[in-house]
Amino acid sequence: QLQLQESGPGLVKPSETLSLTCTVSGGSVSSLSYFWGWIRQPPGKGLEWIGSVYSSGATYYSPSLKSRVTISVDTSKKEFSLKLSSVTAADTAVYYCARDNTNGWSTFYFDYWGQGTLVTVSS
Amino acid sequence: NVMLTQPHSVSESPGKTVTISCTRSSGNIANSFVQWYQQRPGSSPTPVIFENNQRPSGVPDRFSGSIDRSSNSASLTISELRTEDEADYYCQSYDGSDRVFGGGTKLTVL
Repeated sequence: QLQLQESGPGLVKPSETLSLTCTVSGGSVSSLSYFWGWIRQPPGKGLEWIGSVYSSGATYYSPSLKSRVTISVDTSKKEFSLKLSSVTAADTAVYYCARDNTNGWSTFYFDYWGQGTLVTVSS
Repeated sequence: NVMLTQPHSVSESPGKTVTISCTRSSGNIANSFVQWYQQRPGSSPTPVIFENNQRPSGVPDRFSGSIDRSSNSASLTISELRTEDEADYYCQSYDGSDRVFGGGTKLTVL
């Protein structure tokens, strides 16, 4: 059974860079036709896609966050990472990592999710 | 940018049927598959429908999905409602390579 686990600091200061890692077990980040994505959810609000990465390193980012986001993958460590720069209080959210399944290159949907990690931006 | 609009909340009684809509702001709803996720309080989202009307393994057939080209919208229908279905539901689709979520609908089963 595929499992994903987020890790990283729970508190980040304004203007600094948020860094999270997602470790994948029970499967491979090198598997064909799967991306690996980050989604966030501010407290009491809805889901927002941040971006996704393929095993080759190819990335897609949300247009609204593109200027501040970097997502990378390390196939040898079976993990992928998120960096979000110049954070503000508006970036406070639960951050989820998830497998972004193309189902044979016909769609994009998130079929396995991590438990999520709360990141608070505060001084 | 494409937006997916959902009603903020819906409510229905146990045993009844409820439908949640998801309207695409631009572009043809039929050109990009729609997915639906259930999120219970304190839990991660889980998919209940993918590719408009496909159920992942383990999801009961009380959950069904459809699209309506005339209204450019997708719908999630849950029949024989149970109290355990009370949750937030999100639609998701894509615009090219950009994944997009709807704002979510809170389903109350009372």
